[in-house]
Amino acid sequence: DTGVSQDPRHKITKRGQNVTFRCDPISEHNRLYWYRQTLGQGPEFLTYFQNEAQLEKSRLLSDRFSAERPKGSFSTLEIQRTEQGDSAMYLCASSPGLAGEREQYFGPGTRLTVT
Amino acid sequence: LAKTTQPISMDSYEGQEVNITCSHNNIATNDYITWYQQFPSQGPRFIIQGYKTKVTNEVASLFIPADRKSSTLSLPRVSLSDTAVYYCLVVPTAGTYKYIFGTGTRLKVLA
Repeated sequence: DTGVSQDPRHKITKRGQNVTFRCDPISEHNRLYWYRQTLGQGPEFLTYFQNEAQLEKSRLLSDRFSAERPKGSFSTLEIQRTEQGDSAMYLCASSPGLAGEREQYFGPGTRLTVT
Repeated sequence: LAKTTQPISMDSYEGQEVNITCSHNNIATNDYITWYQQFPSQGPRFIIQGYKTKVTNEVASLFIPADRKSSTLSLPRVSLSDTAVYYCLVVPTAGTYKYIFGTGTRLKVLA
């Protein structure tokens, strides 16, 4: 069990550029979640996947944001035309997906800075 | 989804027991109560989960009264390394997996 990994750990980009983050969940975890966290706040839910199906999306996930999990393993989160307000830590988590299993395992996050 | 309310911050000294209380007045019958810990620049880490009465593991205890409208996370004999933000979440057991984190409680352990 190598844990949830995220890449890159840090990303600095200019406003208007597109960025893509990758998350590799714990092997065989069926559920994968994306959160966004700004300074002093708790993580805000963005979306989650059951295998490759995206089952729920927050209203925070505007049309500039898109997430995929094409083969039910790793996931990508893309932000198009970045804005300064997108600067945040983007966290990925996974869980086994077993009935009644509610614990989520978080990765270290990708810190995005939009200049 | 039930909203939670926790103290914004707490200070404690090494070796003391720390109790962090969370209120969740709108908790539904099938919801569980879960606590996470987060260190700076890291993702949250699961600590403990419970439904009612008392749950204990190797790092903490969770006390839930009969009405389940509140819960208390108890950390025995804290050390400096317990300085972190602690989040209380009410987690549904069916339907959505959308977890709602509040602002958490910033615990600072002093020497």
